Amino acid sequence: AQSVTQPDIHITVSEGASLELRCNYSYGATPYLFWYVQSPGQGLQLLLKYFSGDTLVQGIKGFEAEFKRSQSSFNLRKPSVHWSDAAEYFCAVGEGTGRRALTFGSGTRLQVQP
Amino acid sequence: GAGVSQTPSNKVTEKGKYVELRCDPISGHTALYWYRQSLGQGPEFLIYFQGTGAADDSGLPNDRFFAVRPEGSVSTLKIQRTERGDSAVYLCASSNAVGQGFSTDGYTFGSGTRLTVV
Repeated sequence: AQSVTQPDIHITVSEGASLELRCNYSYGATPYLFWYVQSPGQGLQLLLKYFSGDTLVQGIKGFEAEFKRSQSSFNLRKPSVHWSDAAEYFCAVGEGTGRRALTFGSGTRLQVQP
Repeated sequence: GAGVSQTPSNKVTEKGKYVELRCDPISGHTALYWYRQSLGQGPEFLIYFQGTGAADDSGLPNDRFFAVRPEGSVSTLKIQRTERGDSAVYLCASSNAVGQGFSTDGYTFGSGTRLTVV
């Protein structure tokens, strides 16, 4: 069965600093990979996704992520964090065989210091 | 509608009671999903509908949980004999994916229903 690990439960960065959130997955074939953001009391918003092709994907709000097959990773990055980026971030993986269920990691809570 | 709508936004019920949670997907989206998010965890898959039929219900935890989508639009998640462990945020999502694979736009999630069983 597929699984997703987000090793960092909580990260604090200063506004304007760079950010990298880690995500490792376990899946036998090429997965479908997603990053979602969740603000308090809100639903999940899709930041970006990887299905195939270029391993560096660009998303909304200035985020990007890089798929590294050799490391089974899909880390999320942003060069300069804004206070409004404070939220919970979830990495998710979907099977490429047609089953639509996404498996989510347990999330990383991002705090931004002024 | 413009987004995925879930009602109620909050529901408090007594242990042993029956509850229904409603999801109104984006107009025209044929695929609908239910997830459950416990405190401090990521969402966990419950069930997926393609049109009116449940294409995958492997995530439903037991037979107290049931979901329907009779006209291929609105869906209702039903929980019988609620237990305190059912307390969670129940998320609904929809997409325009058909057949195999994921849609290119991923899912659109609603804001969820926070269920508290006391």
